[in-house]
Amino acid sequence: EPEVTQTPSHQVTQMGQEVILRCVPISNHLYFYWYRQILGQKVEFLVSFYNNEISEKSEIFDDQFSVERPDGSNFTLKIRSTKLEDSAMYFCASRVWPNEKLFFGSGTQLSVL
Amino acid sequence: KQEVTQIPAALSVPEGENLVLNCSFTDSAIYNLQWFRQDPGKGLTSLLLIQSSQREQTSGRLNASLDKSSGRSTLYIAASQPGDSATYLCAVGRGYQKVTFGTGTKLQVIP
Repeated sequence: EPEVTQTPSHQVTQMGQEVILRCVPISNHLYFYWYRQILGQKVEFLVSFYNNEISEKSEIFDDQFSVERPDGSNFTLKIRSTKLEDSAMYFCASRVWPNEKLFFGSGTQLSVL
Repeated sequence: KQEVTQIPAALSVPEGENLVLNCSFTDSAIYNLQWFRQDPGKGLTSLLLIQSSQREQTSGRLNASLDKSSGRSTLYIAASQPGDSATYLCAVGRGYQKVTFGTGTKLQVIP
């Protein structure tokens, strides 16, 4: 079965540094998402992306966050100046059509020191 | 604002037992509901997707039902196995918009 691929699996960074989390969605999918999960908490929505623009974002997704689809295959999440509270597992997800099954990657564990 | 709750938060059962996990949501205007499995430190694996027009979906030993009007879904696992031990999450969605996740049920199946 096709997979959503995320790299790196683990990322350790210093507070205030910029990080880029990378995702390769399933090739024929059109809708892309980023979610995060702080240890022991619920999976939280960050942003959705369709047709090369953000279609919805949560209050978590402030000016420090940005997303990009630089080419036909990659989908990235950038955090400009990381904070301690950004430490979480970040999941990329995609689906072919709005009402279809959502597929998740295996996540990037981000640790901000 | 959609709120999704799962009961129980944790469940421990002996191998072979049939079990039911519950999910409730506050806004019944959903398009679909999806059940996921999450293993510790891992990603989310999709188990079943139920469209709002459907009442249930089955995959192997799993059966999920949806009662949209009452804001409830159940995941039935037949003949549980130790390999079923994981956290089970339900998530409700409206079209292209975000899906909202529940709080999860942590299942332990004891050999």
